Amino acid sequence: AQTVTQSQPEMSVQEAETVTLSCTYDTSENNYYLFWYKQPPSRQMILVIRQEAYKQQNATENRFSVNFQKAAKSFSLKISDSQLGDTAMYFCAFMKGNYGGATNKLIFGTGTLLAVQP
Amino acid sequence: KAGVTQTPRYLIKTRGQQVTLSCSPISGHRSVSWYQQTPGQGLQFLFEYFSETQRNKGNFPGRFSGRQFSNSRSEMNVSTLELGDSALYLCASSLGHPSDEQFFGPGTRLTVL
Repeated sequence: AQTVTQSQPEMSVQEAETVTLSCTYDTSENNYYLFWYKQPPSRQMILVIRQEAYKQQNATENRFSVNFQKAAKSFSLKISDSQLGDTAMYFCAFMKGNYGGATNKLIFGTGTLLAVQP
Repeated sequence: KAGVTQTPRYLIKTRGQQVTLSCSPISGHRSVSWYQQTPGQGLQFLFEYFSETQRNKGNFPGRFSGRQFSNSRSEMNVSTLELGDSALYLCASSLGHPSDEQFFGPGTRLTVL
């Protein structure tokens, strides 16, 4: 069975600074996807960034980038130039990539509550 | 394009009752997944429907069931409600492949008294 671990329940960062959120996972699969989702207070969950396991290049989306270490099963999220609007719960998630019988089951970590301070 | 909508947004029920939640996916999306979010257990996968067929199911008791209609709208039903069923229930829609982005709805907040 796959598991996703986020060891930082809460983090704080000053506006305009950089912060890194950690995530490790465990799987015996070779084909899978990894995601970071953001859930602002009382607002909808939105996708921040995703990474295909077969791609060695780390994904980036504007101020958000990941450090994907497949051998170490590590998938950290770096937020640069933090903004007040980045305050949210961040979830790391895993999904198997079964092309023969694809399903969309996301396995989530417990989340990291990020507070951006002015 | 309209996002994923869930109705109702808030619901209060008593133990033993049953409840039906609805999820309308983004137009053209054929996959709808349901998740339960609680402070204690976090986000847990309930089930996924694709083209009216249940494609995957999580580890929940049989009291939790769902279905999907031909227009891809989905409903989930919880029978014989228990206090522990109090949670935020989220649905997510996508085109259907794991590489496709999943879009989440705002959730239904269910309180069981």
